[in-house]
Amino acid sequence: DSGVTQTPKHLITATGQRVTLRCSPRSGDLSVYWYQQSLDQGLQFLIQYYNGEERAKGNILERFSAQQFPDLHSELNLSSLELGDSALYFCASTTGEGNTIYFGEGSWLTVV
Amino acid sequence: GIQVEQSPPDLILQEGANSTLRCNFSDSVNNLQWFHQNPWGQLINLFYIPSGTKQNGRLSATTVATERYSLLYISSSQTTDSGVYFCAASSNDYKLSFGAGTTVTVRA
Repeated sequence: DSGVTQTPKHLITATGQRVTLRCSPRSGDLSVYWYQQSLDQGLQFLIQYYNGEERAKGNILERFSAQQFPDLHSELNLSSLELGDSALYFCASTTGEGNTIYFGEGSWLTVV
Repeated sequence: GIQVEQSPPDLILQEGANSTLRCNFSDSVNNLQWFHQNPWGQLINLFYIPSGTKQNGRLSATTVATERYSLLYISSSQTTDSGVYFCAASSNDYKLSFGAGTTVTVRA
């Protein structure tokens, strides 16, 4: 158990819908990362937050957004879902840059 | 961002064999980590190793930062070592970039 909690573990939804994935980082970790893992794209960095502020952005679609709340949990919002958004979405946390990063178990999203 | 290349893409081992996985990166790094993704999808951190050598049981890793590569050694492999091994690196831009992974299959 990495200490990073993600919900839901599995989600099936229809095209055009919106979903929210939630992440609780390890106790004491200020930095949260979101990654998308699909068969054809591998592990893609989406976005990183540090203590509530956006720190780095990767190839995150405009239909996707994220935030980190004052209690340090984070949410990834995916809207106008398409079939190609089906993937495993990971959240990870670390105390800060230059430290070991720990991944949650992921949220499996299937868009039908 | 930094480019990370891993080799070989696939590796089939007989139980008890030793192996070496390689990770090349395109720029100087301040963060390099190895992960194992098991067949259930869990990503488990193996090493945080931007430079130097570390060992943890049957696994060890070496990063030669000046030559921009890292190696992961698996000794006396077991079937539970099967899965995908990822190398990930960043160079001062906070974006931890992953390689495509090496899929390891250990046969009994």
